[in-house]
Amino acid sequence: EAQVTQNPRYLITVTGKKLTVTCSQNMNHEYMSWYRQDPGLGLRQIYYSMNVEVTDKGDVPEGYKVSRKEKRNFPLILESPSPNQTSLYFCASSLSSGTYEQYFGPGTRLTVT
Amino acid sequence: TQLLEQSPQFLSIQEGENLTVYCNSSSVFSSLQWYRQEPGEGPVLLVTVVTGGEVKKLKRLTFQFGDARKDSSLHITAAQPGDTGLYLCAGVNLGGGADGLTFGKGTHLIIQP
Repeated sequence: EAQVTQNPRYLITVTGKKLTVTCSQNMNHEYMSWYRQDPGLGLRQIYYSMNVEVTDKGDVPEGYKVSRKEKRNFPLILESPSPNQTSLYFCASSLSSGTYEQYFGPGTRLTVT
Repeated sequence: TQLLEQSPQFLSIQEGENLTVYCNSSSVFSSLQWYRQEPGEGPVLLVTVVTGGEVKKLKRLTFQFGDARKDSSLHITAAQPGDTGLYLCAGVNLGGGADGLTFGKGTHLIIQP
């Protein structure tokens, strides 16, 4: 089954404790991206990757890091999480550039206290 | 920065009623995507409209792209409780590219039995 998986689905952590949210897709897609979704603000892109070893900032990259060492994986790293990073996070992939049909993961709900 | 405004933000109607939600911008898009997001899940693509004036139907859902490719509408006939969800439009910016997708903030739709 074609899918994007994210782990963990739920995470409660404390300020400053480094964390990684994993994302993996099995569709051999070149393009992957991370979004955060907040009430009243909608979906905002954090980072995206056109292919292996190629990443770039989206609209709200501050406080986040990403890496793309393999085509299928695109982890999101929060080196020092803060309460304003409490949000619902989605990983997405598409066949090529971000203009193509986006396949979204199920989401990761992160709470930073 | 291109913006997409969706209206209404919230809509609660009875089963069997018809409804229309709108996605408007002052910018021209090369195409426009509609997604539906159900609680606890990631957005799922419903349709992409490409040509100005294009109309696409998906069972009881009718999607239209404005003649000038600046706006779009989603009409649901005889709404069912299963139509409940967050409807998101996403415009593909002219020139495309990796960061070429602009999301609206969504319409929260509740269909009451």
